[in-house]
Amino acid sequence: GAVVSQHPSWVICKSGTSVKIECRSLDFQATTMFWYRQFPKQSLMLMATSNEGSKATYEQGVEKDKFLINHASLTLSTLTVTSAHPEDSSFYICSAGAFEGDYEQYFGPGTRLTVT
Amino acid sequence: GQSLEQPSEVTAVEGAIVQINCTYQTSGFYGLSWYQQHDGGAPTFLSYNALDGLEETGRFSSFLSRSDSYGYLLLQELQMKDSASYFCAGDRNGTYKYIFGTGTRLKVLA
Repeated sequence: GAVVSQHPSWVICKSGTSVKIECRSLDFQATTMFWYRQFPKQSLMLMATSNEGSKATYEQGVEKDKFLINHASLTLSTLTVTSAHPEDSSFYICSAGAFEGDYEQYFGPGTRLTVT
Repeated sequence: GQSLEQPSEVTAVEGAIVQINCTYQTSGFYGLSWYQQHDGGAPTFLSYNALDGLEETGRFSSFLSRSDSYGYLLLQELQMKDSASYFCAGDRNGTYKYIFGTGTRLKVLA
């Protein structure tokens, strides 16, 4: 199956700093990638849709100026959490799909962010 | 609004059969997917129902009834490794944007 990687797998940062998370599709081209956030023992919440070469589409309630998304190529999307605060501590997961009739999304291994 | 409700927890013994239900209150879901997630891991795809009816994949089967806004995941011959969280996910109007259900934590006992 298709493989999606994320880097870093975990990161600890101080309050007020920014953190960048990378999501790569390793063996297929992903025109669309999705970013999710998951708090402990909760479901995945879709944050935004990342489209190659265009602006990301954010879900209601997600601050686009705080969670900057860039999808510079068909294999790479980045999520930057700006001016992080402890409440931003969460598990961030990206997914990608080639789609075109295939509805399966391939998830990255996730990035655990802890803001101190 | 759009929401998919699941039981929070299900417990069963090894070798048994368990059904995890998913009821949704929305219109416009193109299909229903099921994902498995072990603690600390990424969700992995189990099945997808684009049409009403039963889809079978090995020990796992999934069912969808659009008229009842209801689906379920059936796990047979339970194994200890099946202990995980299971999520249904609706594809919003064929946009490939998934809304995930509340999740069900399955515990398989020896």
